[in-house]
Amino acid sequence: AQSVTQLDSHVSVSEGTPVLLRCNYSSSYSPSLFWYVQHPNKGLQLLLKYTSAATLVKGINGFEAEFKKSETSFHLTKPSAHMSDAAEYFCVVTLFSGGYNKLIFGAGTRLAVHP
Amino acid sequence: DTAVSQTPKYLVTQMGNDKSIKCEQNLGHDTMYWYKQDSKKFLKIMFSYNNKELIINETVPNRFSPKSPDKAHLNLHINSLELGDSAVYFCASSYRTSGLWEQYFGPGTRLTVT
Repeated sequence: AQSVTQLDSHVSVSEGTPVLLRCNYSSSYSPSLFWYVQHPNKGLQLLLKYTSAATLVKGINGFEAEFKKSETSFHLTKPSAHMSDAAEYFCVVTLFSGGYNKLIFGAGTRLAVHP
Repeated sequence: DTAVSQTPKYLVTQMGNDKSIKCEQNLGHDTMYWYKQDSKKFLKIMFSYNNKELIINETVPNRFSPKSPDKAHLNLHINSLELGDSAVYFCASSYRTSGLWEQYFGPGTRLTVT
């Protein structure tokens, strides 16, 4: 069965320092993986996606994630946090069932950025 | 230009009432979805329609009835509202056959049942 585990429910960093949001996945086949971001009282926005092409995926706003099959991980990173990065981040895996795809969301990681 | 829009943004109602949430997308997608986000921010799919045909129906009470008049619209009607229905409901859309499975989300509708 497909699932994702986000290892931290809250991450707090100082502005200008690196960001690491951890995600492990479980999949019975080669997965498609995503990171979505949700700013307060907003909808979800796609940050980046992995679909079996390059294992290092670059997204918007300076974020990137690396697909590591041996570790079943898809951690999200950013070299330098900005105040505007404060939001909820969701790691997502696709489940292919009955000819259709469903998104399976992780529980989310709340990122706080301090001055 | 709003890609995926939902109305209303906020909905406060009493237990036992019936309410509807509307969703429209102008992206030309053929598949639309409803998700429920609970108070702990956990997101779970409820329904999905492809070209007006129901393709995903998770274990959702039958008080919830989606309706898709055309492939650009997917409305959610909820009968006999209960306290536990309080949540944020998100509509999303995508191309089913794009191969990338990327979904675009609306801004959400915060439903509060008192």
